[in-house]
Amino acid sequence: AQKVTQTQTSISVMEKTTVTMDCVYETRDSSYFLFWYKQTASGEIVFLIRQDSYKKENATEGHYSLNFQKPKSSIGLIITATQIEDSAVYFCAMRDNNNNAPRFGAGTKLSVKP
Amino acid sequence: EAAVTQSPRNKVAVTGGKVTLSCNQTNNHNNMYWYRQDTGHGLRLIHYSYGAGSTEKGDIPDGYKASRPSQENFSLILELATPSQTSVYFCASGDWDNSGNTLYFGEGSRLIVV
Repeated sequence: AQKVTQTQTSISVMEKTTVTMDCVYETRDSSYFLFWYKQTASGEIVFLIRQDSYKKENATEGHYSLNFQKPKSSIGLIITATQIEDSAVYFCAMRDNNNNAPRFGAGTKLSVKP
Repeated sequence: EAAVTQSPRNKVAVTGGKVTLSCNQTNNHNNMYWYRQDTGHGLRLIHYSYGAGSTEKGDIPDGYKASRPSQENFSLILELATPSQTSVYFCASGDWDNSGNTLYFGEGSRLIVV
C-alpha cells in the first residue's frame, strides 16, 4: 500500500529565507506521481507542484522547487525567498499506477515571520 | 471557471442521524474523491469514484457510503452518524491526463456530530 510520511509537524522561518520541507514515500510501483499542495488559513487547498517519477530533473514552479531523491524515496519541497503569505500547511501526496487515488502525508505547518 | 463546490459548508448532526455531504464539479473530470481532515492525520481517503455509477473504498470507508449518480456529482453518506465522524470533509476531482491526476479541491464541509 502507498504511504506518505511528513515528519516535520511545524517549521518557523524568517521572511526572505529559504525553507525545505521533507517528505518520504513508499510504493512498489515503478511509475508514480508526487505532488505538493498548500492549505491556506481559510482552509482552501491548492496544487503547487508535481514530480513525475520517470523525470530526472527536479520540477520548479515560481519560487517553489523540488528535491527529488529517488533512491531515498524522498521528495522535498523548497521555497526560496519566503514571503509572509507562504505561511500555510503544506501536504505531500503520491499517486502510483497500482493505486490510483492520491494519498497524503500529515502535513507541515509553515510560519513565516517578518 | 472550473470548480468544485461542496454543500453544506457547515453541519451539526445528532448521533444516529443521517448526513449527506454533496459535491459538484464543473471540471469534467472522471475521478472524484472524498477525504477527511483531522489534526495529526492530514487528509485521509474515504471513498472515490472513476466515473458515474462507480464507487471505490478508500483507506477509511467504515461508516460511510458514497454515491456517484453523474459525472458532476459525488455524495458522501453517513447513515448513522457518530461523534467520531466529527471532522472537516473535502471533495476533490482529478483526471489521468497530463496532470497525472492533480486534484482540485472543494472548500470543505465542517461536520459536528453531537
